[in-house]
Amino acid sequence: GAGVSQSPSNKVTEKGKDVELRCDPISGHTALYWYRQSLGQGLEFLIYFQGNSAPDKSGLPSDRFSAERTGGSVSTLTIQRTQQEDSAVYLCASSPIGGWSSPLHFGNGTRLTVT
Amino acid sequence: AQKITQTQPGMFVQEKEAVTLDCTYDTSDPSYGLFWYKQPSSGEMIFLIYQGSYDQQNATEGRYSLNFQKARKSANLVISASQLGDSAMYFCAMREIKGGSEKLVFGKGTKLTVNP
Repeated sequence: GAGVSQSPSNKVTEKGKDVELRCDPISGHTALYWYRQSLGQGLEFLIYFQGNSAPDKSGLPSDRFSAERTGGSVSTLTIQRTQQEDSAVYLCASSPIGGWSSPLHFGNGTRLTVT
Repeated sequence: AQKITQTQPGMFVQEKEAVTLDCTYDTSDPSYGLFWYKQPSSGEMIFLIYQGSYDQQNATEGRYSLNFQKARKSANLVISASQLGDSAMYFCAMREIKGGSEKLVFGKGTKLTVNP
């Protein structure tokens, strides 16, 4: 079946502009995650959605970052007034509800470059 | 807070040999899950193997096995019969479930290079 789909795959924007990154999870997966990966680094947790529950936003680095998930499916990560330090690969993942052993299935990411 | 430590920034192995990638973790929870992911230069994150804290046996998936030493809090990935296509970044991760939220906490990764 189809995997996690992210768009765009690449985004170049000017400092100060807003950007929107989209994630379409695997059908039937109730949990959705956003991570950020800076060059040569590990994955940094940003936000977690599970069904209709309130999201865990504890990883968002500043109030310029926000995310929503409509209808329990597609999610959009928005970065306002982008800064150069926002340049990174933004990875979306989904998983079925199921506790400890369910792996996260990742999309191919959006590479964001802020000039 | 949980923490994952991968002490090997880079590792080299000859094709067809076995290699061990180290991972130690820190948690006070009795229940936890450990994962290994592979990230080739293309950037995709590929799930390799899972080990639960209560699993009696070490996990195995094809050429991948996990050397799980609970008392030492280590979960090292063993790749047998290395292939050129195994060259990639490898990340160890722990599932954290707390207060209605959950996530995977990742280590900084190990870059594996397989030489012909």
